[in-house]
Amino acid sequence: GENVEQHPSTLSVQEGDSAVIKCTYSDSASNYFPWYKQELGKRPQLIIDIRSNVGEKKDQRIAVTLNKTAKHFSLHITETQPEDSAVYFCAATPRGGADGLTFGKGTHLIIQP
Amino acid sequence: DTGVSQNPRHKITKRGQNVTFRCDPISEHNRLYWYRQTLGQGPEFLTYFQNEAQLEKSRLLSDRFSAERPKGSFSTLEIQRTEQGDSAMYLCASSLDWTVRGGGRGQPQHFGDGTRLSIL
Repeated sequence: GENVEQHPSTLSVQEGDSAVIKCTYSDSASNYFPWYKQELGKRPQLIIDIRSNVGEKKDQRIAVTLNKTAKHFSLHITETQPEDSAVYFCAATPRGGADGLTFGKGTHLIIQP
Repeated sequence: DTGVSQNPRHKITKRGQNVTFRCDPISEHNRLYWYRQTLGQGPEFLTYFQNEAQLEKSRLLSDRFSAERPKGSFSTLEIQRTEQGDSAMYLCASSLDWTVRGGGRGQPQHFGDGTRLSIL
């Protein structure tokens, strides 16, 4: 089955700086890679996703890059703001996202004022 | 609010008791997923339904766990003879899936607020 590794487990950045979270996956059949943001006590919320037919996707301050050869994908947040503080999870799945997701262990992002 | 709804939000029970959780997906979504999340970990996939059919079960889903989606709308997850290790947040998600050119292609999964289960 799929295995997703996520790094770092904790990331502290100054407000206004960029943050990068990295994930690797093991199953070459995986072709859908969503990122979720989870604030304390709240539901995971989808913030961006990418399919394997593209290498990069951007939505305002958030971007995701995918390297299928290396089985590696990353989340980039620019101009970080205090409200970006949360736990971020990457996930992977085959069949375009129709099946269950395999999540990483999460990255606790702390934005220092 | 047309998001995924889960009830109850919290459940406290004694070890050995049975518990049942309910999930109401987004109305037009035909896929429904159950996950379990423990403190400091990502959600772990348990099972999912396409309409009323249960298509996949994780090895995490022991025989004490059973899920149903009788009319292809809401779903229930029952845990029998609860154990301490069952304490977790149980999350439900839903999505819309369709087949494009013979292949599966899903829309993003949207999660509910979860049911937090505490076993005394």
